[in-house]
Amino acid sequence: GAGVSQSPSNKVTEKGKDVELRCDPISGHTALYWYRQRLGQGLEFLIYFQGNSAPDKSGLPSDRFSAERTGESVSTLTIQRTQQEDSAVYLCASSPRTGGPYTFGSGTRLTVV
Amino acid sequence: GIQVEQSPPDLILQEGANSTLRCNFSDSVNNLQWFHQNPWGQLINLFYIPSGTKQNGRLSATTVATERYSLLYISSSQTTDSGVYFCAVGTNFGNEKLTFGTGTRLTIIP
Repeated sequence: GAGVSQSPSNKVTEKGKDVELRCDPISGHTALYWYRQRLGQGLEFLIYFQGNSAPDKSGLPSDRFSAERTGESVSTLTIQRTQQEDSAVYLCASSPRTGGPYTFGSGTRLTVV
Repeated sequence: GIQVEQSPPDLILQEGANSTLRCNFSDSVNNLQWFHQNPWGQLINLFYIPSGTKQNGRLSATTVATERYSLLYISSSQTTDSGVYFCAVGTNFGNEKLTFGTGTRLTIIP
């Protein structure tokens, strides 16, 4: 597509439930990144995918967080047993190459009640 | 890890004014990008500028990698320039993530 697409745009969930967030990168972009932005804060790195290489998971805050990407296409970020501190905007970015310019999606605003 | 500091944290200007935003970083970088986050939360890539100078309309940026800083210049500010400006850097040390600064919040008053 023309840009990075994320869905859903908003998600309200009850504490303890699992959620799945989706990112559809720009076609041909080999690198894909997930970031988290808490209210009024900067961006925290979560995970990075590059082609078929093993992902860099060094930013995932706990084992409740996981992500997958099939080849150079869609990625899903899954949060199990959600907690209130997981409330944030989850942003996905893609890049045509490692170390290249990022294009961000519009994000998914997650609220855990 | 690398530290990224942005200044000033907040800036309020009249429409038409010029401004300079600064980004200092603590280590060598091979990737530096400037982003504008508008009031609706969308992040727009302004510049990919690991070194040198670039211009795009009223905006320009300069990165002096050897001295570990970058500057973003905004001329003839418009109300649509309001939002948060983030500097983000990437290093050579095997991890391709960008580390973001805490941002400069710019408010343009009509």
